[in-house]
Amino acid sequence: QSALAQPASVSGSPGQSITISCTGSSTNIGNYNLVSWYQQLPDKAPKLIIYEDSKRPSGVSNRFSGSKAANTASLTISGLQAEDEADYYCCSYAGSRRLWLFGGGTKLTVL
Amino acid sequence: EPQLVESGGGLVQPGGSLRLSCAVSGFTFSSYWLHWVRQVPGKGLVWVSRINSEGTSTNYADSVKGRFTLSRDNADNTVYLQMSNLRAEDTAIYYCATIGDSAEFDHWGQGTVVTVSS
Repeated sequence: QSALAQPASVSGSPGQSITISCTGSSTNIGNYNLVSWYQQLPDKAPKLIIYEDSKRPSGVSNRFSGSKAANTASLTISGLQAEDEADYYCCSYAGSRRLWLFGGGTKLTVL
Repeated sequence: EPQLVESGGGLVQPGGSLRLSCAVSGFTFSSYWLHWVRQVPGKGLVWVSRINSEGTSTNYADSVKGRFTLSRDNADNTVYLQMSNLRAEDTAIYYCATIGDSAEFDHWGQGTVVTVSS
């Protein structure tokens, strides 16, 4: 069982928006503004798409956005495209003992 | 743009050892902390270990503490993960990654596969 809880799967039709949640605790997500999100295409390495809860690296589409409330972070993908079909992982810094925690991953299916 | 290339993976028997390498180019290697993250095929990502830029400080996940040792050679731009007393549950793809200023893993290698089986 992962330390951060994500839904196993979400789906949406092209053009729609979806949101993936990532629930942690007051010792990780709720204690640091250091949630990041990663997109992993099949048989590829993860790719950073959101950092510091809501910031986008250069080159990442503005269709990806991040937010956080208390112990839960969220990733929203708007205007779904077929190329967005992938696994998505959240990650939070968790302090000097547990360091980094990942979610179990969410498989996004574009219908 | 940093490039990270892992190598050294393979098939090893339970109780055996393996050394993974991560060769880095495209940035000032000696300025960056480096991390290892692993992934059981079809499963999620798990943070494994990190080393500071000087190579003087390391941290490990509880699951590998005492069995894995992380080191680096700043002259060779390479990080090494020495894995010993390997278990079946260490079977995974092992990725090395750089860390950004906000604790994000901003660049990743392509991964190297470790299989622990008799």
